[in-house]
Amino acid sequence: KNQVEQSPQSLIILEGKNCTLQCNYTVSPFSNLRWYKQDTGRGPVSLTIMTFSENTKSNGRYTATLDADTKQSSLHITASQLSDSASYICVVSARGGGNKLTFGTGTQLKVEL
Amino acid sequence: DTGVSQDPRHKITKRGQNVTFRCDPISEHNRLYWYRQTLGQGPEFLTYFQNEAQLEKSRLLSDRFSAERPKGSFSTLEIQRTEQGDSAMYLCASSSVAGNSYNEQFFGPGTRLTVL
Repeated sequence: KNQVEQSPQSLIILEGKNCTLQCNYTVSPFSNLRWYKQDTGRGPVSLTIMTFSENTKSNGRYTATLDADTKQSSLHITASQLSDSASYICVVSARGGGNKLTFGTGTQLKVEL
Repeated sequence: DTGVSQDPRHKITKRGQNVTFRCDPISEHNRLYWYRQTLGQGPEFLTYFQNEAQLEKSRLLSDRFSAERPKGSFSTLEIQRTEQGDSAMYLCASSSVAGNSYNEQFFGPGTRLTVL
């Protein structure tokens, strides 16, 4: 069964600090891995997408890494801002079958003053 | 704003009533997906269309659920005889298959359904 697990479940950090979120997956055959940011009551918004051959990708203060051998990914947020408070969801797509996405349950990040 | 719109944004209904949601994808996208998200969980796949053809339905999509995309553009998701367990956020996403190795899906803002 395709699964995506994320840790920690929730995280509170002070504004300006860095943090790293983790994702492990068992999706096969692997196509790509995405990190989404979801604000409360809104739809997810894509931050990064990585295929098998990509092991790091940045989007501003967000940097994602992928180790396809160990099936692990991380999302590093640098110099956090209050607006980073959201749920961060790791999503893995399998090849074929309409590229259905398997979602993790997300890490709820809260950035405080 | 991703370019995917959903209507209504919120719906409150009584148990047993029927509800219908609409999704307008990005105009050139040929794939359209429906997901359901409950509190504290990630979205779960319900069904997807390529153009007007419904190609796959999840086991989560009971007989009370039906989705259509009659002209390959907008889509509707109908829930008949709603139950309290149907309360969730219903998300729509669209993507373009052609020339996009990532098949990135763009999500709408969702429709929040509350069944009393």
